[in-house]
Amino acid sequence: QKEVEQDPGPLSVPEGAIVSLNCTYSNSAFQYFMWYRQYSRKGPELLMYTYSSGNKEDGRFTAQVDKSSKYISLFIRDSQPSDSATYLCAMSAYGNKLVFGAGTILRVKS
Amino acid sequence: GAVVSQHPSRVICKSGTSVKIECRSLDFQATTMFWYRQFPKQSLMLMATSNEGSKATYEQGVEKDKFLINHASLTLSTLTVTSAHPEDSSFYICSASPLWEQSNQPQHFGDGTRLSIL
Repeated sequence: QKEVEQDPGPLSVPEGAIVSLNCTYSNSAFQYFMWYRQYSRKGPELLMYTYSSGNKEDGRFTAQVDKSSKYISLFIRDSQPSDSATYLCAMSAYGNKLVFGAGTILRVKS
Repeated sequence: GAVVSQHPSRVICKSGTSVKIECRSLDFQATTMFWYRQFPKQSLMLMATSNEGSKATYEQGVEKDKFLINHASLTLSTLTVTSAHPEDSSFYICSASPLWEQSNQPQHFGDGTRLSIL
């Protein structure tokens, strides 16, 4: 079993839809949770960063962490074609390296 | 803030050539930088952790004599792929985290270097 599970998709949605991206994990020591967006042939861009449990909102993006269920989510409201990319979840324990999910390919159709 | 610059963005060279990739933190200092490799349609694979002023820490299965890492300052780390062969062709990405961030998180990534060995 992988430490971090993420459905690779692709996930196709119409423009304006609410997108829900998820990851589950098995290591209860993880405390830092991140979502990255990666366009083709580019490096990952940090979207959201959360420490421990709870919600965090930034514009159209909302990140949720449920440590009791070992489950994190990223919601994208009013999705746009420019949101089409691969979304990577990543997490780590204190002082340890990042562990990435496989990445979910998102396609927003106009 | 927290911009990481990687150079070059694209390299095409003959087999047997050594290739150097630079990773710079432009607006912050970082004692630790990370080097990743990414194959098409796959996630990032950590190769090594670059520590300023000391030897890099390599992940299992990564040849340290093949992938030489130097972290000479708080803003620059270099990865040299020595005697590159076609199987070394890949997308190499570096990341760094500002000194003031706890636990080296979050990491900020460069735009990657696409290496093609003919």
